[in-house]
Amino acid sequence: GQNIDQPTEMTATEGAIVQINCTYQTSGFNGLFWYQQHAGEAPTFLSYNVLDGLEEKGRFSSFLSRSKGYSYLLLKELQMKDSASYLCAVLDSNYQLIWGAGTKLIIKP
Amino acid sequence: IAGITQAPTSQILAAGRRMTLRCTQDMRHNAMYWYRQDLGLGLRLIHYSNTAGTTGKGEVPDGYSVSRANTDDFPLTLASAVPSQTSVYFCASSDGAGGPDTGELFFGEGSRLTVL
Repeated sequence: GQNIDQPTEMTATEGAIVQINCTYQTSGFNGLFWYQQHAGEAPTFLSYNVLDGLEEKGRFSSFLSRSKGYSYLLLKELQMKDSASYLCAVLDSNYQLIWGAGTKLIIKP
Repeated sequence: IAGITQAPTSQILAAGRRMTLRCTQDMRHNAMYWYRQDLGLGLRLIHYSNTAGTTGKGEVPDGYSVSRANTDDFPLTLASAVPSQTSVYFCASSDGAGGPDTGELFFGEGSRLTVL
């Protein structure tokens, strides 16, 4: 079966750096997405990786290793507003999105 | 402001009742999707539509139906609601029918449904 694994919850301190990991086993691969979802709100797009390597976008970076079935989302200079769930999703060979359950990130002052 | 509008935002209904969740987008996106989100689980695809006039089944289609009469609207109907359909429902759209060139999904604000 297809599977996306990410930690259920993480805690970090304001101003620090946190890395949220995502491992996947899917039938084929056509890209990996990260979404941010604040409590009670809709998910919003953060990043898309289809090639190996690091994509940087401001305070957020996303890394992909296709050979390892692994990605991470790196958040720098954490702010209280970064408290949210972070969803990892993989586009499989049928162009269906397979979603992880999400990582709830708690930021403490 | 362009985007996706869902209605209602919240609803409580008795088991056995029929319910339609409405979804309208004004971005002229070809593809639309209905997901349900339950605690501890990833988003699960219920039904999708790659373009107006076509629909397809997702991972958890049983008990749900959809229609796509035009580009903008994609209603989701529960013919006879059951308590296991208690969930948060998200409608989403993208500007392609799938594949890496489609970019991001745009989500509505969600409809919280409770079936008693």
